[in-house]
Amino acid sequence: EIVLTQSPATLSLSPGDRATLSCRASQSVGDYLAWFQQKPGQAPRLVIYDASHRATGIPARFSGSGSGTDFTLTISSLEPEDFAVYFCHQRKNPGTFGQGTRLEIK
Amino acid sequence: DVQLVESGGGLVQPGGSLKLSCSASGFTFRSYAMHWVRQAPGKGLEYVSGISGNAASTNYGDSVRGRVTISRDNSKNSVSIFIIRLRSDDTGLYYCVRGDSGTYYGNLQQWGQGTLVSVSS
Repeated sequence: EIVLTQSPATLSLSPGDRATLSCRASQSVGDYLAWFQQKPGQAPRLVIYDASHRATGIPARFSGSGSGTDFTLTISSLEPEDFAVYFCHQRKNPGTFGQGTRLEIK
Repeated sequence: DVQLVESGGGLVQPGGSLKLSCSASGFTFRSYAMHWVRQAPGKGLEYVSGISGNAASTNYGDSVRGRVTISRDNSKNSVSIFIIRLRSDDTGLYYCVRGDSGTYYGNLQQWGQGTLVSVSS
């Protein structure tokens, strides 16, 4: 099973700051890496798929990069609605998730 | 609009079994893989199972393989999982998820609101 390790566990920033979230895979997943945003009481929402493609309706301030084992989700200038938990997911057989990064308001 | 409505959750005793179902609408159901992902209370996400659009291929997470069977009925736009030998660590919110293609290894694109399973004596 491929293990995904996210860092940091918690990220405390202010609106307008730049957020950088990391996801590292225990073996190569190519570009089969997605990022999800989850707010309290809500289902996860796809943000980035195939490492760098924004999902429908996702603002341009969200970007993804990386391939192989190291991936990054960047939010260029945080808006109040961006504070949430973010999970990475790899879809090689079988799929696994990272443990999540909580992005909180400083 | 895509709609995914899960049902079948509830309180189950350890060792018991349970069938969860998902009713889908708003898209051509047979063209998309369907998946189940679960989340224990206050915890992260865990992949449970997936099935291709034509039902020819299935996929299971390591922690449930051998205890879960996924199936779909394209004539009724529904997908189900049947879980046996339930354990306390099967407790959680079970999400039905639509993929972005017919293959089970695609992206997890659209999520339902989940159905809650509680395993306890």
